[in-house]
Amino acid sequence: GENVEQHPSTLSVQEGDSAVIKCTYSDSASNYFPWYKQELGKRPQLIIDIRSNVGEKKDQRIAVTLNKTAKHFSLHITETQPEDSAVYFCAASLGTGTASKLTFGTGTRLQVTL
Amino acid sequence: GAGVSQSPSNKVTEKGKDVELRCDPISGHTALYWYRQSLGQGLEFLIYFQGNSAPDKSGLPSDRFSAERTGGSVSTLTIQRTQQEDSAVYLCASSKSSGPYEQYFGPGTRLTVT
Repeated sequence: GENVEQHPSTLSVQEGDSAVIKCTYSDSASNYFPWYKQELGKRPQLIIDIRSNVGEKKDQRIAVTLNKTAKHFSLHITETQPEDSAVYFCAASLGTGTASKLTFGTGTRLQVTL
Repeated sequence: GAGVSQSPSNKVTEKGKDVELRCDPISGHTALYWYRQSLGQGLEFLIYFQGNSAPDKSGLPSDRFSAERTGGSVSTLTIQRTQQEDSAVYLCASSKSSGPYEQYFGPGTRLTVT
């Protein structure tokens, strides 16, 4: 089955700096890659997603890039703010129906310091 | 509108007892997923329902785990003869179909087996 690896496990940046989280996946048939943010004690919430027919997607301070050849995708957060502090999870999906289930990375705890 | 809801929010049970966890998906969402999140870990897929199709049970860790979805809406996850290793947060998610589309998560049920 699909396997997703995520790095780093923890990341500390100063407010205003950029943060980058990287994930690799094993199954070249995966075609949907969401990123979820989970604040302490809260539910995971989608912050951005990308499909395999797109190489990059941006939404304000957040961007995701996908390299299908290398089977890796990355989350980029610019101008970080204290409210960006949370655990971020990448995930991959093989497509429709039963293949729509998500395989998650193990998470990155991002801390934005003042 | 109302999001995904789960009950109870917390459940403490003794080893060997059975527990039932409930999920109410977003109205109109045909796809429903259960995931498990152990302390400090990523999310692990358990089971998937789509409309009236047979569920994908490939993620259930043992035959002590079962789930059903009645009327294409509410779902219950049942764990029989609970073990300490079953302690985790059980998250339910729903999506409008299995496109794949964004999965909206509920707040989870924190299960503690003593």
